[in-house]
Amino acid sequence: GAVVSQHPSRVICKSGTSVKIECRSLDFQATTMFWYRQFPKQSLMLMATSNEGSKATYEQGVEKDKFLINHASLTLSTLTVTSAHPEDSSFYICSGQGGNTEAFFGQGTRLTVV
Amino acid sequence: QKEVEQNSGPLSVPEGAIASLNCTYSDRGSQSFFWYRQYSGKSPELIMSIYSNGDKEDGRFTAQLNKASQYVSLLIRDSQPSDSATYLCAVSRSQGNLIFGKGTKLSVKP
Repeated sequence: GAVVSQHPSRVICKSGTSVKIECRSLDFQATTMFWYRQFPKQSLMLMATSNEGSKATYEQGVEKDKFLINHASLTLSTLTVTSAHPEDSSFYICSGQGGNTEAFFGQGTRLTVV
Repeated sequence: QKEVEQNSGPLSVPEGAIASLNCTYSDRGSQSFFWYRQYSGKSPELIMSIYSNGDKEDGRFTAQLNKASQYVSLLIRDSQPSDSATYLCAVSRSQGNLIFGKGTKLSVKP
């Protein structure tokens, strides 16, 4: 299957700092990128959907000014967690979709805010 | 009604048995249906896709789709302990992007 490369896999940051997570589709053009968050023992929660070249659509309850999404090209999307706090500690996963096909997940980023 | 619904489980089956996972969806315009498997602490991986009514088999896995009933299922034959994971059903919205169910946790007991 297609590959989505997500980095970093783990990051620890201090409270109040910002963290950028990067997802690259390596062998297909991801016209749509989904960003999810998953807390321990809970299901995937969709945070936002972004289409290349346009602003992301955020799910209800997700602060767009806190979770900045950039999808400037068909192979790269980034999520920046701004002014991170301990409650933002979670497993963040991206998923790329090219057209009306299946989506492929990145490896995930485990964020710990201390 | 939630867009994609799954029984959260846990579903427990003995090794060698058939595990049956079910999913219903609300958007009648949905065209594509997928099953993903997620091991604890890992990201989901695609295991099956199905686009037309009926059954689709791939090894020990069979996906079944009934668009009239808005129902899609996944059967796992000869279940193994390594199949223990959370199984996510995903359905494409009419405009193409995927909506995931909350997942069913499967436990296969040796």
